[in-house]
Amino acid sequence: GAVVSQHPSRVICKSGTSVKIECRSLDFQATTMFWYRQFPKKSLMLMATSNEGSKATYEQGVEKDKFLINHASLTLSTLTVTSAHPEDSSFYICSARTGGNDSPLHFGNGTRLTVT
Amino acid sequence: SQQGEEDPQALSIQEGENATMNCSYKTSINNLQWYRQNSGRGLVHLILIRSNEREKHSGRLRVTLDTSKKSSSLLITASRAADTASYFCAASSGGYNKLIFGAGTRLAVHP
Repeated sequence: GAVVSQHPSRVICKSGTSVKIECRSLDFQATTMFWYRQFPKKSLMLMATSNEGSKATYEQGVEKDKFLINHASLTLSTLTVTSAHPEDSSFYICSARTGGNDSPLHFGNGTRLTVT
Repeated sequence: SQQGEEDPQALSIQEGENATMNCSYKTSINNLQWYRQNSGRGLVHLILIRSNEREKHSGRLRVTLDTSKKSSSLLITASRAADTASYFCAASSGGYNKLIFGAGTRLAVHP
């Protein structure tokens, strides 16, 4: 089946530093990937839609300069949390589709970010 | 708000019992999907029901969709301890068919 690999699974960083999270589609090409954020025991909040070769589309209230998304190839999208602060601590999950826009999403296993 | 509503927020049952979770959404949809999440992990797709469908089955799962009420339900029959997880509905809409997730139901199945 389709596999989405997300790395790292956990990261701890200090305030003010930047953290990059990678999302790879291992056995399929993904022109579109979606980045979600999840708070403990809460639902997933869509942050942005990542499009290969073009700018990401951010949801309302998500700072694009804070959460930099790059989708340079059909198998890799990256999310960089810039100048991280403790309130950025969260669970970040990426996802992608194998088929058309009407097909289910395949999710990575998420990245637990802790900013100290 | 991005999210729809799900109820109950938490459900605790015994093995063998059925579990029913409900979901409401706000916009018109292309399809509605249900996902499962084990603690601290990514989500796994369970079932997709299109906007022109009313009911769908997959193994022990049964999903219904009522577009007039903008609601859906997920029934898990003969539950097992391994079904313990959080379950989310997700409404698919818009050009990219981005998924907007409901608040989720935390299901605990006790042996």
